[in-house]
Amino acid sequence: GAGVSQSPSNKVTEKGKDVELRCDPISGHTALYWYRQRLGQGLEFLIYFQGNSAPDKSGLPSDRFSAERTGESVSTLTIQRTQQEDSAVYLCASSRNSFDTQYFGPGTRLTVL
Amino acid sequence: KNQVEQSPQSLIILEGKNCTLQCNYTVSPFSNLRWYKQDTGRGPVSLTIMTFSENTKSNGRYTATLDADTKQSSLHITASQLSDSASYICVVAGASGGSYIPTFGRGTSLIVHP
Repeated sequence: GAGVSQSPSNKVTEKGKDVELRCDPISGHTALYWYRQRLGQGLEFLIYFQGNSAPDKSGLPSDRFSAERTGESVSTLTIQRTQQEDSAVYLCASSRNSFDTQYFGPGTRLTVL
Repeated sequence: KNQVEQSPQSLIILEGKNCTLQCNYTVSPFSNLRWYKQDTGRGPVSLTIMTFSENTKSNGRYTATLDADTKQSSLHITASQLSDSASYICVVAGASGGSYIPTFGRGTSLIVHP
């Protein structure tokens, strides 16, 4: 079946602009995660959704970052007033439940000029 | 603070040789440990997952070990192939208040030369 998909694959924006990144998880996966990976760095947890529970936002670096997920479907990560340090690959992953293997999407490469 | 440390940071080996990657963690309480392979420009792909009671798990030429007492894990790659060139990431899952937050290591970059 289809894996996790993300769009756009690449996004170039100007400093100060808002961007919205999209993640389509695997159908039936209740858990969804967003991560950030800066060049040459490890993955950095951002936010976690589990079913209809309140999301765990403990990894969001600032109030410019927010994410939404409707039920167990698509999620969007929004970055407002982008800064150059926001440049990174943003990865989305989904899993059947909290403790199952996470399946990653190909990521969105964000470049803030 | 939960941490996952991996070594070496990078490794270069010849095709056909074996290698072992290390992972030390301080995540508590411990739920499970996973090894992922991340090819350049792609998302990570799961290789193995181990819970507290498991000492070793194999997936083809990949064998992972876990010592929950010393909080160490290793990933052994046998008879390496050029396609093994990638970043290998150790991920340890804890559990806090019912929320599952994984802690990622920075990865070991493996290059396999012909």
